[in-house]
Amino acid sequence: QKEVEQNSGPLSVPEGAIASLNCTYSDRGSQSFFWYRQYSGKSPELIMFIYSNGDKEDGRFTAQLNKASQYVSLLIRDSQPSDSATYLCAVNLGAGNQFYFGTGTSLTVIP
Amino acid sequence: EPEVTQTPSHQVTQMGQEVILRCVPISNHLYFYWYRQILGQKVEFLVSFYNNEISEKSEIFDDQFSVERPDGSNFTLKIRSTKLEDSAMYFCASSATGTGGFGYTFGSGTRLTVV
Repeated sequence: QKEVEQNSGPLSVPEGAIASLNCTYSDRGSQSFFWYRQYSGKSPELIMFIYSNGDKEDGRFTAQLNKASQYVSLLIRDSQPSDSATYLCAVNLGAGNQFYFGTGTSLTVIP
Repeated sequence: EPEVTQTPSHQVTQMGQEVILRCVPISNHLYFYWYRQILGQKVEFLVSFYNNEISEKSEIFDDQFSVERPDGSNFTLKIRSTKLEDSAMYFCASSATGTGGFGYTFGSGTRLTVV
């Protein structure tokens, strides 16, 4: 069973703070890692992907990957109320097309 | 920006009825997928489709489900005899590459309610 685990939250941070979202995965063969944002009742929207150990930055977002610890995280700097959403971690084994999703972490940014 | 479009946005059907969910993937994408999300639960893979055939399917995708690309633009998911537990949000997705390397683009979804 390929598991992707996330804290369901809710995670609350004040506006302007850093939000830290974490995800662990069970399959050491996982090769690609994705963060999606999902507003209530809407479809997932891709924020970032990462393949290699280390950090990857895109604007206010930084993805961090540690394959040895089977851990991937997402940092959101200068959090805005519009960042309030559920953040989904997804993992891909590379060989096939299937993504395995976590249950998501609900983030609320308080103005 | 290119997008995946899904119709209808909401479908209500009686248990035992057949439903067809429709999707128009991004025009230059070659790989197509269906996922579903039961309310409050995780997004779950159903099936992937490439070169007019299923490339991978999950345990959820049993004989009641089928997919088709009837023409050059549409991609459909058919549920032959709906059950109450089929009630979920169904997302179509497409990607340009087979490994999903750059992530999928999801459609806006069809909310299926089986009564």
